[in-house]
Amino acid sequence: EAQVTQNPRYLITVTGKKLTVTCSQNMNHEYMSWYRQDPGLGLRQIYYSMNVEVTDKGDVPEGYKVSRKEKRNFPLILESPSPNQTSLYFCASSLASGRLYEQFFGPGTRLTVL
Amino acid sequence: DQQVKQNSPSLSVQEGRISILNCDYTNSMFDYFLWYKKYPAEGPTFLISISSIKDKNEDGRFTVFLNKSAKHLSLHIVPSQPGDSAVYFCAAEGKGANNLFFGTGTRLTVIP
Repeated sequence: EAQVTQNPRYLITVTGKKLTVTCSQNMNHEYMSWYRQDPGLGLRQIYYSMNVEVTDKGDVPEGYKVSRKEKRNFPLILESPSPNQTSLYFCASSLASGRLYEQFFGPGTRLTVL
Repeated sequence: DQQVKQNSPSLSVQEGRISILNCDYTNSMFDYFLWYKKYPAEGPTFLISISSIKDKNEDGRFTVFLNKSAKHLSLHIVPSQPGDSAVYFCAAEGKGANNLFFGTGTRLTVIP
């Protein structure tokens, strides 16, 4: 089944404790992206990757890191999480960047930083 | 500053009737618009899109209308079905851009 998977789905952590949210897709997609969803703000893009070893900042990259060492994986790293990073996170992928290509979203990771 | 706005957080409609979800945008550089649908505990899924060179796009029960002069688009669902109950996000993209700007979502409830 073609899908985007995220792990963990739920995470409660404490301020300053490094964490990684994994994202994997099995569709051989080149483009991958991370979003966060917050009440009253919709979904905002954090980082995106056009291909392996190519990443770039989205609208709200502060406090986050990403890497794209393999085509299928695009982990989101919070080196020192803070309470304002409590949010619902979505990973997405598409065959390529651009409007011709539908973005497929993962099921989301709900992160709480205490 | 929110560039894509959905001013109605929720909407309830009787089964069989028309659902109209609205979206406004502020950036005149946006030239492609999408609607996504989201069920609880799932990620958003693409529903329908429209390019700024059109004013209407139809796909089955779903039609999106674009009014560029008003910077407004709407999604019509006819007839509405209980399975349409979900949160609907409007999104916009500018030419050459690599990201989507999303609205805050409207929760649609279709009452059987």
